[in-house]
Amino acid sequence: RKEVEQDPGPFNVPEGATVAFNCTYSNSASQSFFWYRQDCRKEPKLLMSVYSSGNEDGRFTAQLNRASQYISLLIRDSKLSDSATYLCVVPDRGSTLGRLYFGRGTQLTVWP
Amino acid sequence: ETGVTQSPTHLIKTRGQQVTLRCSSQSGHNTVSWYQQALGQGPQFIFQYYREEENGRGNFPPRFSGLQFPNYSSELNVNALELDDSALYLCASSFPKLGTGVGTEAFFGQGTRLTVV
Repeated sequence: RKEVEQDPGPFNVPEGATVAFNCTYSNSASQSFFWYRQDCRKEPKLLMSVYSSGNEDGRFTAQLNRASQYISLLIRDSKLSDSATYLCVVPDRGSTLGRLYFGRGTQLTVWP
Repeated sequence: ETGVTQSPTHLIKTRGQQVTLRCSSQSGHNTVSWYQQALGQGPQFIFQYYREEENGRGNFPPRFSGLQFPNYSSELNVNALELDDSALYLCASSFPKLGTGVGTEAFFGQGTRLTVV
């Protein structure tokens, strides 16, 4: 079983739509989680950190369900600039030094 | 920008050759990790260096090796290149939250796109 699993999509939504991505993780002891955004042929960039039940930053909301071992990312009022691949990331519980497990990413395209 | 820089940005090598990729970490970060990202996949952990010593390795063969220098910059070396080594190689720097039990976010360089022909 993979450490992190994501629906690869693609998700194609119109501007203004609300879209949600889910991600499941296998290590029940994981305590922190990240969502990274990756534009085409660019490096991943940190979008949000999740340390408790959830986090909200403007139009972006991340939620954590420890019992079911899944993390979600909700994007409200989608913009064209939100088009990217969103990577669900779980740190290795056995390592305190930043080894990360990545999902394969969910591709989002926002159209006018 | 993250302050993590990688060189070169693009590279074409022939099967069987050797390659060295370089990374300068963000100021104040003493940990460098290397990841391989194949097309359409998420990054896969290769190995990590903390204070100049290897600290953890992913499922990659020994022909993938590395170094970290006193200034925390790092190199990734790949010997006997294979076609499947073609990928985006990402360097990430971080500063561990030791003793907290909390994972540490990583900041990535722009990557080196390696093509093996």
